[in-house]
Amino acid sequence: AQSVTQPDIHITVSEGASLELRCNYSYGATPYLFWYVQSPGQGLQLLLKYFSGDTLVQGIKGFEAEFKRSQSSFNLRKPSVHWSDAAEYFCAVGFTGGGNKLTFGTGTQLKVEL
Amino acid sequence: EAGVAQSPRYKIIEKRQSVAFWCNPISGHATLYWYQQILGQGPKLLIQFQNNGVVDDSQLPKDRFSAERLKGVDSTLKIQPAKLEDSAVYLCASSLDYNNHNEQFFGPGTRLTVL
Repeated sequence: AQSVTQPDIHITVSEGASLELRCNYSYGATPYLFWYVQSPGQGLQLLLKYFSGDTLVQGIKGFEAEFKRSQSSFNLRKPSVHWSDAAEYFCAVGFTGGGNKLTFGTGTQLKVEL
Repeated sequence: EAGVAQSPRYKIIEKRQSVAFWCNPISGHATLYWYQQILGQGPKLLIQFQNNGVVDDSQLPKDRFSAERLKGVDSTLKIQPAKLEDSAVYLCASSLDYNNHNEQFFGPGTRLTVL
């Protein structure tokens, strides 16, 4: 069965600092990968997605992620964090033929210090 | 474009009571999903509909949970009777179809507290 690991439960960064959130997946076939953000009391909003092609994908709000097949990773990055980025971030994986079903990681809570 | 609507936003019940949640997906979206998100965990898929048919309900605790999407548009998720461990946020999502790579759009969720 596929699985997603987000090893960092909480991360604190200073405003203006760079950010990297880790995501590792386990699945034998080629996955497709997503990053979602969830603010308090809100549903999940899609930041970016990877299906195929260029392994570096750009998303909304200045986020990017890089798919590394050799490391089974899809880490999320942002060069300069804003206070409004404080939220919970979820990595999710699906697979071809899976009927568009997603498996989510446990999430990383981001705190931004001013 | 209106997003996915859910109601109520919050619900507090006693254990062994019943509760129902409602979801209205984005217009034209054939696929609807119900997720359970327990505090500190990621969303877990409970059931997936394609129009008014069930695609996958393998993780739905069918002894107490039920869901329907009779006219292929809005959907209701019911819990009867509720247990303490059902305390969670219940998220509804929709997508155009259940082919691969279709983006899922999420509603704000219903936070259920079972006392």
